[in-house]
Amino acid sequence: DTAVSQTPKYLVTQMGNDKSIKCEQNLGHDTMYWYKQDSKKFLKIMFSYNNKELIINETVPNRFSPKSPDKAHLNLHINSLELGDSAVYFCASSPLTSAANYGYTFGSGTRLTVV
Amino acid sequence: GIQVEQSPPDLILQEGANSTLRCNFSDSVNNLQWFHQNPWGQLINLFYIPSGTKQNGRLSATTVATERYSLLYISSSQTTDSGVYFCAVDGNQGGKLIFGQGTELSVKP
Repeated sequence: DTAVSQTPKYLVTQMGNDKSIKCEQNLGHDTMYWYKQDSKKFLKIMFSYNNKELIINETVPNRFSPKSPDKAHLNLHINSLELGDSAVYFCASSPLTSAANYGYTFGSGTRLTVV
Repeated sequence: GIQVEQSPPDLILQEGANSTLRCNFSDSVNNLQWFHQNPWGQLINLFYIPSGTKQNGRLSATTVATERYSLLYISSSQTTDSGVYFCAVDGNQGGKLIFGQGTELSVKP
């Protein structure tokens, strides 16, 4: 059973299109995240949700809109895609309580290429 | 904000060699994790280690929180250890992880 699964794994699309990436976790975690990894492999947080509520929005352009229908799902919708949006997007989840000794679990990533 | 620096940036090893990767952070943290990103891009959680020492097979990690650093030891390296190793810390900002720039490890047969 995959703990954090995201789809699709690869996404190639033209500039100006709108696309979505879906993420689901079956770990019972309260918090879910989106991270972006750029071409130099640097990882940076974009958003986090705790029990469907947005708690971190890290100065991401408005064209990016996360949606969390329930605490097991966090989707990322991107409008009017630009060349600079090309990157690998990772979904992750964590239990927010310090009692859990295993921290974050990441999905396998979605490689987005905008042409 | 918290700064995370990893060293060395790149490392080439012969199979069977041992290595130590270092992570320095600029402020006290609630959480520190080590991840391995394999050549297929998958991020694998190696250790959750805000303090103390943990071991898992050939890998072990030590965090000295009072001195703001963590070390990841890889013993008897194998080609499957190749990839990028990331250290990430949580500075009590709602679970937000701040990543170092990574150490790219290449293990040659």
